[in-house]
Amino acid sequence: QSALTQPPSASGSPGQSVTLSCTGSSSDVGGYQYVSWYQQHPGKAPKVLIYEVTKRPSGVPDRFSGSRSGNTASLTVSGLRAEDEADYYCSAYAGDNKYVFGSGTKVTVL
Amino acid sequence: QVQLQESGPGLVKPSDTLSLSCGVSGVSRVSFPNYHWSWIRQPPGQRLEWMASISYSGHTDYNPSFQSRVTISMDTSQSQFSLRLISVTAADTAVYFCARLNHLRFDVWGQGTVLTVSS
Repeated sequence: QSALTQPPSASGSPGQSVTLSCTGSSSDVGGYQYVSWYQQHPGKAPKVLIYEVTKRPSGVPDRFSGSRSGNTASLTVSGLRAEDEADYYCSAYAGDNKYVFGSGTKVTVL
Repeated sequence: QVQLQESGPGLVKPSDTLSLSCGVSGVSRVSFPNYHWSWIRQPPGQRLEWMASISYSGHTDYNPSFQSRVTISMDTSQSQFSLRLISVTAADTAVYFCARLNHLRFDVWGQGTVLTVSS
């Protein structure tokens, strides 16, 4: 299992939008409708923001949105806020009851 | 409210066997079988890594990277599940999270337990 590829860092000013990418293969990101995104603040457990590519759990602001094109999934954070500064990980179902995570992107709010 | 709580030794020596437990609360006996239960780890400054999952019925799935060293098990009577990792090395130093796998997403996480492998 290879980790999904994410850019190591991204940044934006408050109120701006930032889009994070997550690149895999047809065996994971592109092969199933099961891509999820997690937000992790330092020293904390991850929190699911997006599941099944585009769905938001209750309680997650609609500033967070997910999409996918081919083997690349994306998470867009609109209206950046200071509390959005965190690490973001994508995860994908890789078939045969296996799961793979991305390398993570650190988002900085300038 | 569903809560997961990990417990572990904190420090183990190289070549030892690691045993971790995760207590589950807030899930009814009726709904417990609807989920799979997982272990995910995060070495210092590194990415999350799925290790293993288990269903209520005891079906197990493992990350091939760990398959020869890891065992996941469940004690439904105690509403807890466990991870056993043999022959640990410094590379196994990490924060170990337990999590609920709900329709192929990890929707509830424990706070994590820190494990250091050192002599």
